[in-house]
Amino acid sequence: DIQMTQSPSSLSASVGDRLTISCRASQSINSYLSWLQQKPGKAPKLLIYTASSLQSGVPSRFSGSGSGTDFTLTISSLQPEDFATYYCQQTYSPPWTFGQGTKVEIK
Amino acid sequence: EVQLVESGGGLVQPGRSLRLSCTASGFTFGDYAMSWVRQAPGKGLEWVGFIRSNAYGGTTEYAASVKGRFTISKDDSKSIAYLQMNSLKTEDTAVYYCTRALLIVGNTRIDSWGQGTLVTVSS
Repeated sequence: DIQMTQSPSSLSASVGDRLTISCRASQSINSYLSWLQQKPGKAPKLLIYTASSLQSGVPSRFSGSGSGTDFTLTISSLQPEDFATYYCQQTYSPPWTFGQGTKVEIK
Repeated sequence: EVQLVESGGGLVQPGRSLRLSCTASGFTFGDYAMSWVRQAPGKGLEWVGFIRSNAYGGTTEYAASVKGRFTISKDDSKSIAYLQMNSLKTEDTAVYYCTRALLIVGNTRIDSWGQGTLVTVSS
């Protein structure tokens, strides 16, 4: 199985900050990488797919990059509604696997 | 608008069975794969499995933790996906999400989620 490792596991940030979250795969997954956002008590929401494609309706302050084994989610200017938990997920081969999540909290 | 509505969750004893349903609307159900993802209380996301569209054979894939106990099926005529869960264990306690998946070479992803249904396995 492909293991997905996110870093950091949690972070504190302020509104307006630039934020980066990393995700590393245990083997190459080409660009079969999605980023999801989950708020408490809610279902996850797709932000980025194929490593760098922005899902329709998602604000342009979210961006993704990377290929192979190393990927990054960037939020260019953190907004109050962005405080949430973020997950990466590989869909290169089943079993599809998720990172353990990165919780973004208010500083 | 894509809508996925799960039902069938609840409290069940260890060793028993439960079937979840996912009623879909807002898209051509038969054109998509359907996947289930779960989340134990306070934990991260865990992929359970998916069923391919009939165009891709309608075959299934499962996580090792549920393989042989869980079965995913679908009824395209009713736009419903199912998750049959047998021999349930306490560690299967989770919110179960129904999701729509795209299985296209170079562009594979889960793009829509239901609101989830809670399954509690306890005596």
